[in-house]
Amino acid sequence: QTVVTQEPSFSVSPGGTVTLTCGLSSGSVSTFYYPSWYQQTPGQAPRTLIYSTNTRSSGVPGRFSGSILGDRAALTITGAQADDESHYYCVLYMGSGIVLFGGGTKLTVL
Amino acid sequence: EVHLLESGGGLVQPGGSLRLSCAASGFTFSTYDMTWVRQAPGKGLEWVSSISGVSTISGSAGRTYYADSMKGRFTISRDNSKNTLYLQMNSLRAEDTAVYYCAKVRSVPSTTFYFDYWGQGTLVTVSS
Repeated sequence: QTVVTQEPSFSVSPGGTVTLTCGLSSGSVSTFYYPSWYQQTPGQAPRTLIYSTNTRSSGVPGRFSGSILGDRAALTITGAQADDESHYYCVLYMGSGIVLFGGGTKLTVL
Repeated sequence: EVHLLESGGGLVQPGGSLRLSCAASGFTFSTYDMTWVRQAPGKGLEWVSSISGVSTISGSAGRTYYADSMKGRFTISRDNSKNTLYLQMNSLRAEDTAVYYCAKVRSVPSTTFYFDYWGQGTLVTVSS
């Protein structure tokens, strides 16, 4: 069974840069999986950040960017701010209507 | 403005059933795929099921897709006349306890697939 992998946790200093990644237990992530990224703070609904690998959703600050790095999708936050402290989830579209979520990364800004 | 409002959550005994609803507004509901995503307490997000909208190309609609662990117990459906998405959940287990979110899907074949709008969720608790 295919699993989408993410770092369980990460920390970044205010103003720093951090890259979160999203991989597959078997195989490489490519643009054909249309990787998307979602931010969620406790008690809130998810918020769409990035779709189709690298397109920012409306209203998302420019410090968030998406890419493919090697065999993984990546979400980079450049100039992290305190309110970026959240959980981040990647989603891959596996085709035939099937969707997989990664386990999420808890980002701490300190 | 797109708005999604879930309802129907609550406390149900193991083995019981529940039907969730998601009232949609602010977009042409019938033409978009819709999905259910859940989140168990303290856990990550998990895709549950999706249903297609009316295809402007083929005219087909209502194709359904499920995560393996939900197949046979959950049924997704939609009433385009009421702009409402449903999730019928049967044979509920303690591990189905979660907040259930509905989300609008932006899906263009060979181009993109993502969830562009989310509801606030409804809590389902399965316990005796």
